[in-house]
Amino acid sequence: AQKITQTQPGMFVQEKEAVTLDCTYDTSDPSYGLFWYKQPSSGEMIFLIYQGSYDQQNATEGRYSLNFQKARKSANLVISASQLGDSAMYFCAMREDTGGFKTIFGAGTRLFVKA
Amino acid sequence: EAQVTQNPRYLITVTGKKLTVTCSQNMNHEYMSWYRQDPGLGLRQIYYSMNVEVTDKGDVPEGYKVSRKEKRNFPLILESPSPNQTSLYFCASSRELGLRTDTQYFGPGTRLTVL
Repeated sequence: AQKITQTQPGMFVQEKEAVTLDCTYDTSDPSYGLFWYKQPSSGEMIFLIYQGSYDQQNATEGRYSLNFQKARKSANLVISASQLGDSAMYFCAMREDTGGFKTIFGAGTRLFVKA
Repeated sequence: EAQVTQNPRYLITVTGKKLTVTCSQNMNHEYMSWYRQDPGLGLRQIYYSMNVEVTDKGDVPEGYKVSRKEKRNFPLILESPSPNQTSLYFCASSRELGLRTDTQYFGPGTRLTVL
């Protein structure tokens, strides 16, 4: 059964430093997609980055990059040069290609950026 | 403006009183989904739809119903709400499923309290 684990309930980072948010997953499907979403205090869900299981390179989107280690089943989000506006809840999610639109989310990590 | 709308945004009701939360998207998306968000549990998928008249259960479908009679609308129905359905609900839509295009667009959320 598919499963997503985010082991860091909360994290602090100094402004302008990089931070890594951990995500491990479990699936028996060889084809799947991994996602990260940001949820600021205002509550909306914002898509950040996507990684496909067959992608050869790690995904990057501006200051966001995904450290994808397939053999270890981890998909950590790296935020470079943290900004105060990065303070939010971050969710890792996965969809298996054989599962239709079925999507599972991790419990989330709350990131606090200190000035 | 491309968006997913939900109504109502806030609702307080009593046990057993049937309610419907509406969801509409203006992006002509095939795929739609409902999630509930609870502290410490992340988002859990309730139901999803891959096309008109095609729906399937997510991880927590008990106590909920959905319908997809039109492409743009995907209402969530609680026939007999109970206090354990107090939660923050999100509707989401996606254009297609694919290794690079599988981004879900989320509505603003509906905060439901069942007394």
